[in-house]
Amino acid sequence: SQQGEEDPQALSIQEGENATMNCSYKTSINNLQWYRQNSGRGLVHLILIRSNEREKHSGRLRVTLDTSKKSSSLLITASRAADTASYFCATIYTGANSKLTFGKGITLSVRP
Amino acid sequence: SAVISQKPSRDICQRGTSLTIQCQVDSQVTMMFWYRQQPGQSLTLIATANQGSEATYESGFVIDKFPISRPNLTFSTLTVSNMSPEDSSIYLCSVRKEANYGYTFGSGTRLTVV
Repeated sequence: SQQGEEDPQALSIQEGENATMNCSYKTSINNLQWYRQNSGRGLVHLILIRSNEREKHSGRLRVTLDTSKKSSSLLITASRAADTASYFCATIYTGANSKLTFGKGITLSVRP
Repeated sequence: SAVISQKPSRDICQRGTSLTIQCQVDSQVTMMFWYRQQPGQSLTLIATANQGSEATYESGFVIDKFPISRPNLTFSTLTVSNMSPEDSSIYLCSVRKEANYGYTFGSGTRLTVV
């Protein structure tokens, strides 16, 4: 069953704006990961944050993790049209033996 | 990170037939994972393929429908058997090189059953 729930389910912004996407999960995790998928193709790993970390940066991406609220957020700064894609959070929950469980996904549209 | 070659990239198949999807990894990995992504949906894990042992299937997926082979540490196949239109999905393989690293995914196989 799916572990993560993202919101919003769809987001449309203007190029240059920031995009914030949220993810909630249900049980204790080892780590949480964010992926991007373009046009129903393969997924690209964006960033991983461990359960003992609170914030992580990678280029224009910033991820936070609040284990007390069982939630994470992905911030994309200065968005570009090329950021248009579906974004998924995925968790490895404790005891899951490396199995990655995906949320429902967020569709991001960045208007030029 | 690993590089995965997955094929075919897409296929249109008649109901009742079977399709075998292949994933080749450029390095040895212990575990490979097979996912299904139904239209407009998220990814659902079908099974975990370990070299030298039977695949471990998730609830709702059975070996007769989705037989998996894992002959060595760089290769795996997933067969979708006796297909029906409900099997129309994107199928993806995935690997992880090390703990606390992200997973690498194949480019996916878009299957349409008519």
